Amino acid sequence: GESVGLHLPTLSVQEGDNSIINCAYSNSASDYFIWYKQESGKGPQFIIDIRSNMDKRQGQRVTVLLNKTVKHLSLQIAATQPGDSAVYFCAETEGDKLIFGSGTRLLVRP
Amino acid sequence: KAGVTQTPRYLIKTRGQQVTLSCSPISGHRSVSWYQQTPGQGLQFLFEYFSETQRNKGNFPGRFSGRQFSNSRSEMNVSTLELGDSALYLCASSVAANEQYFGPGTRLTVT
Repeated sequence: GESVGLHLPTLSVQEGDNSIINCAYSNSASDYFIWYKQESGKGPQFIIDIRSNMDKRQGQRVTVLLNKTVKHLSLQIAATQPGDSAVYFCAETEGDKLIFGSGTRLLVRP
Repeated sequence: KAGVTQTPRYLIKTRGQQVTLSCSPISGHRSVSWYQQTPGQGLQFLFEYFSETQRNKGNFPGRFSGRQFSNSRSEMNVSTLELGDSALYLCASSVAANEQYFGPGTRLTVT
């Protein structure tokens, strides 16, 4: 498959463990944030979003935490599975545009 | 409901040529955004169209252009191709411009 990024930071976790992927954003005026998952050879896939009036939002096996004070976003994946192996991007809004972070590669060890 | 489709999936062009990529959004989605993805620069916003009008534009040269048709389908065009234009070009559609759904991308290689 295609290489999304040759020098991405990589998080390696054991199958079944929890994963935490972090992201720092730059625009304190951003009011909407999204996490995307990109598998090799595919486009980014929406995982979960959060608005700036919230500090936590939960989905199925995923939780997003937002700390506006330090402009930090995190994605927590519970009971990480081999199918979770991918590159994860956070994105913040700038008007109607999405500005993406550089991504983190998640590797799940069997 | 069908997802976002992009054609072609793979393309090889020569420096100096021009290329047109096509994107069909999810039915009912009126906003279409284009992104360039490269290993060195990551995902970079090109432009966004809504109701046939370019609503937002990223920091790319004028060689990169786009348009949207009345059925919300969109095309992007790159003229006078350079080696550095080799990338995965992604299209995303949304009802508004926030929750965007991406297509599989078009892999462009410029030789």
